[in-house]
Amino acid sequence: AQTVTQSQPEMSVQEAETVTLSCTYDTSESDYYLFWYKQPPSRQMILVIRQEAYKQQNATENRFSVNFQKAAKSFSLKISDSQLGDAAMYFCAYRSRGAGANSKLTFGKGITLSVRP
Amino acid sequence: KAGVTQTPRYLIKTRGQQVTLSCSPISGHRSVSWYQQTPGQGLQFLFEYFSETQRNKGNFPGRFSGRQFSNSRSEMNVSTLELGDSALYLCASSLVSGAPTDTQYFGPGTRLTVL
Repeated sequence: AQTVTQSQPEMSVQEAETVTLSCTYDTSESDYYLFWYKQPPSRQMILVIRQEAYKQQNATENRFSVNFQKAAKSFSLKISDSQLGDAAMYFCAYRSRGAGANSKLTFGKGITLSVRP
Repeated sequence: KAGVTQTPRYLIKTRGQQVTLSCSPISGHRSVSWYQQTPGQGLQFLFEYFSETQRNKGNFPGRFSGRQFSNSRSEMNVSTLELGDSALYLCASSLVSGAPTDTQYFGPGTRLTVL
């Protein structure tokens, strides 16, 4: 079974600064997807960024980028130029890709990010 | 295009009762997954339905069940409610099940409180 670990329960960042959220995972599979989801206080979960394990290039979406280290099974999220609207709980998630794969996501416990004005 | 909708948004029940939650996926989406979110356990996968068939099931007791209708709308049912069932229940929809480029879109959730 796959597991996802987010060891930092809370982090804080100054507005306009950069912050990195950590995530590690454990799997015996070689092909999979990794995601970062954002859950603002309104509770609607939103996809921030996704990474295919077979791609060596790190995914980037505007101010959000990842550092994917497949051998180390590490998947961190970097938020540049932090904004007040970035304050939320962030979840790292794993999804299998192989034959018979389905849509099941395995989530980490999440990290609460606060942004100081 | 309308997003994933869940009804009701809030629900209060007492122990021993049963409850039914509803999820309407994004139009055209055929896969619906359910998750339970609690402060202690985090987000846990309940089950996934695709084309009216249960595709995958998480590690929950048989009191938790679900179904999907021909229009892809899904319901989940919890019988004989326990205090520990108090949680936010999230529904997510995607176009198909497990496709490489598939993305899951989440609804706002149903907050269930069991007294």
